Amino acid sequence: EPEVTQTPSHQVTQMGQEVILRCVPISNHLYFYWYRQILGQKVEFLVSFYNNEISEKSEIFDDQFSVERPDGSNFTLKIRSTKLEDSAMYFCASWHYRDSGRAFRFNEQFFGPGTRLTVL
Amino acid sequence: GNSVTQMEGPVTLSEEAFLTINCTYTATGYPSLFWYVQYPGEGLQLLLKATKADDKGSNKGFEATYRKETTSFHLEKGSVQVSDSAVYFCALSPMNSGGYQKVTFGTGTKLQVIP
Repeated sequence: EPEVTQTPSHQVTQMGQEVILRCVPISNHLYFYWYRQILGQKVEFLVSFYNNEISEKSEIFDDQFSVERPDGSNFTLKIRSTKLEDSAMYFCASWHYRDSGRAFRFNEQFFGPGTRLTVL
Repeated sequence: GNSVTQMEGPVTLSEEAFLTINCTYTATGYPSLFWYVQYPGEGLQLLLKATKADDKGSNKGFEATYRKETTSFHLEKGSVQVSDSAVYFCALSPMNSGGYQKVTFGTGTKLQVIP
């Protein structure tokens, strides 16, 4: 069964450093997402990406964050200058929207296993 | 905007007890509803889903029915096992023709099952 993969599984970095979190979405999916879960809290939407541009972003997704699809398979989240409060689990998700005549049909978003980011 | 409210945990049950985790939602139109499970140290896994009113999602003995009249999607299991210990997230995704549909999650309910 196809799945979303993420690397690394755990990233430790120093405050102020840049990090890039990587995701490989399911190959025929068209929409890509990043979510964040601070330890013990709920999962929060960060950004969605379609057709090589950001579709929507939350207030969390400030200028320190950027996303990119550098090739046909990877989808990355970059944090330019990490802060302590960026420590969280980051989940990538992908989704394939299909229009079946008048009935819009879609599958649920598929989530990756997450990357745990620890900022020291 | 859309929101999901679920009962606070932690919920502690003995093995073979009956489980209910309440979830209500606020959304326009007809969202799709989900339960995700997160086992200790792991990522999110889709447990079950329902895409329209009165649909019942089921998986691994868990069930939830999409109740539009009460805007609820309560999770139930008749007999829990120790291996069900995890955090359970109720979530919704709006149904629209625009395309992208971000998922809105509840705060999660931690379930601990003791032998």
